[in-house]
Amino acid sequence: GDSVTQMEGPVTLSEEAFLTINCTYTATGYPSLFWYVQYPGEGLQLLLKATKADDKGSNKGFEATYRKETTSFHLEKGSVQVSDSAVYFCALANAGGTSYGKLTFGQGTILTVHP
Amino acid sequence: EAQVTQNPRYLITVTGKKLTVTCSQNMNHEYMSWYRQDPGLGLRQIYYSMNVEVTDKGDVPEGYKVSRKEKRNFPLILESPSPNQTSLYFCASSFCLNCEQYFGPGTRLTVT
Repeated sequence: GDSVTQMEGPVTLSEEAFLTINCTYTATGYPSLFWYVQYPGEGLQLLLKATKADDKGSNKGFEATYRKETTSFHLEKGSVQVSDSAVYFCALANAGGTSYGKLTFGQGTILTVHP
Repeated sequence: EAQVTQNPRYLITVTGKKLTVTCSQNMNHEYMSWYRQDPGLGLRQIYYSMNVEVTDKGDVPEGYKVSRKEKRNFPLILESPSPNQTSLYFCASSFCLNCEQYFGPGTRLTVT
C-alpha cells in the first residue's frame, strides 16, 4: 500500500542554516505530494504541494521538487529562522491507490531552530 | 475567511459518556475527514465522507461514528468513549480526492 517515510528527527539548527528534510514515498499511479507544518498547539497547515512529476512547490522560502524517478519530495530552505521551529509532515494523496479518500502521512520531523 | 472549525477545542470526559465533536467548513468542499494524532503513531484517518449521506471507514474506525447530513458539517460521535480514545482529533476538508486537505485547529480529548 501507499506509504511515506521521513528522515528521523529531531533536527536542531542554528538560525540562517540550510535545512533539508528528506521524504520518500511508495505509491502506485500518480499521487499528489504535500508538506504540512504544525506549530505548537495548532492544527496542520499546508506548506506547499506538487501534483505531478518535476513540479516544484514553494512557499515562505521552502521548496520541494516531485521526483518520480527517486520517489522523493525533499523539503529545503536556504536560511531557517527561529519562527520555523515546528513539526513538518510529508504526505501524499492517491485516489488510485490505498490512499483513496485520505492523506497518508510520514511520521513527522521536529525542527528546532536556535538563535 | 475560508476555514474549518471544530468544537470543543478541549474536552475531558469519563468512560462511557457519549460525546460529539463538531466540525464545520465554509469552503463548500465535498470531501471531509476525521483524523487522530497520537505520539509515535502519527496521523491516522478515522472516517471520511465524499458527500452528503456518503461516508466510509478509514484506518481506525472502531468506537467512532460519523454523519453527514449537510455538506458543511461532519460531526464525530463517540457513543461510549474509552481511555484508548484519548487523543488529538483533527477534522479536514478538501475540494477533490487528490487535493490538499484543510485542517481544523484540533480537539484534545481526554477520557478518564
